[in-house]
Amino acid sequence: EPEVTQTPSHQVTQMGQEVILRCVPISNHLYFYWYRQILGQKVEFLVSFYNNEISEKSEIFDDQFSVERPDGSNFTLKIRSTKLEDSAMYFCASSESGSTGELFFGEGSRLTVL
Amino acid sequence: GNSVTQMEGPVTLSEEAFLTINCTYTATGYPSLFWYVQYPGEGLQLLLKATKADDKGSNKGFEATYRKETTSFHLEKGSVQVSDSAVYFCALSEIDSGNTPLVFGKGTRLSVIA
Repeated sequence: EPEVTQTPSHQVTQMGQEVILRCVPISNHLYFYWYRQILGQKVEFLVSFYNNEISEKSEIFDDQFSVERPDGSNFTLKIRSTKLEDSAMYFCASSESGSTGELFFGEGSRLTVL
Repeated sequence: GNSVTQMEGPVTLSEEAFLTINCTYTATGYPSLFWYVQYPGEGLQLLLKATKADDKGSNKGFEATYRKETTSFHLEKGSVQVSDSAVYFCALSEIDSGNTPLVFGKGTRLSVIA
């Protein structure tokens, strides 16, 4: 069964460092998303991506964040200069259609900023 | 804005017990409602959904009914199994608005003991 894969599963970084989280969405999907969950809090929407551009982003997704689909298979989230409060589980998701609400999620990448 | 509130966990039940996980929502429009489940070591996956009032979503013995009058979408199962141990997320999306991201609750961890 096709699945969304994410790497790394866990990354520890120093405050101020750049981090890139990688995702391989399901191959025939067209819509891509990043969510995050700070420990004990809600799963929060960060950004959605369609047709090689951001279609929607939340207030969390400030200038420190960027997304890219560099090669037609990977979908990456970059945090330019990490802060302590960026420590969270980051989930990538993809969907075939943007209108059904059914997203397929990866296992998540846990980011710890020290 | 849109939001989802679900009961705090963790919930611990014995095998074959009845399960209810409460979920209420606030939405500006007419959302579709979802329950996602995250089994240990896996990504979130869609469990069931309902797209209009009085619809009942069901899957794997779980059910939830879209109650517009009480803005609720409580998850129920008549007889839980150890394999149901997971984190359950209630979510909504205003699908008619196009590529609208899912809004999640905090998640409720369920542990079923034999």
